[in-house]
Amino acid sequence: NAGVMQNPRHLVRRRGQEARLRCSPMKGHSHVYWYRQLPEEGLKFMVYLQKENIIDESGMPKERFSAEFPKEGPSILRIQQVVRGDSAAYFCASSVQGGSYNSPLHFGNGTRLTVT
Amino acid sequence: EDKVVQSPLSLVVHEGDTVTLNCSYEVTNFRSLLWYKQEKKAPTFLFMLTSSGIEKKSGRLSSILDKKELFSILNITATQTGDSAIYLCAVDGNTGKLIFGQGTTLQVKP
Repeated sequence: NAGVMQNPRHLVRRRGQEARLRCSPMKGHSHVYWYRQLPEEGLKFMVYLQKENIIDESGMPKERFSAEFPKEGPSILRIQQVVRGDSAAYFCASSVQGGSYNSPLHFGNGTRLTVT
Repeated sequence: EDKVVQSPLSLVVHEGDTVTLNCSYEVTNFRSLLWYKQEKKAPTFLFMLTSSGIEKKSGRLSSILDKKELFSILNITATQTGDSAIYLCAVDGNTGKLIFGQGTTLQVKP
């Protein structure tokens, strides 16, 4: 049973380019969460999605960031016109039901984005 | 605003020592508190606590929750170098998402 799969593991982008981060949840999980981790900091919530729906995007910057979780395929976190401050590790997590109800969130290995 | 605060932020001990990591929280609605261990990559799940006073144990690690005083502790006994990691505390405020603390970086020296 594969865990949460994220790709790419490392992504380098120049300022102004677009970054696309992918996340395939664990089999049977329909709830996906994206978190961002800056050096020396904890995980900051960005967005919570179910299939085809954004449930909570209160942690997403208002501009340049978007997320989707289509009916088929992985969840995508998209960052347009990246800036140096976007450099961070982006983690995806999935769960069977929303939140920790009955089961904890399971995390992927993250995508480390570097903006040059 | 929901908040989770961990202390200390970093800790250096020697193998064999016992450590206690702290996590305090403020949430409007509480569902559970979770502990994760993060080494180089994915945070891995350790414990989920929902009830006060019931200790969860796994080998040398244990954790307990106090819902009245709004905190939890994670204990590690007879520490080993392999315990070196960032320990993350998170709270589910019944909103469907986890709120994380800053983490405690533990370094265990041989």
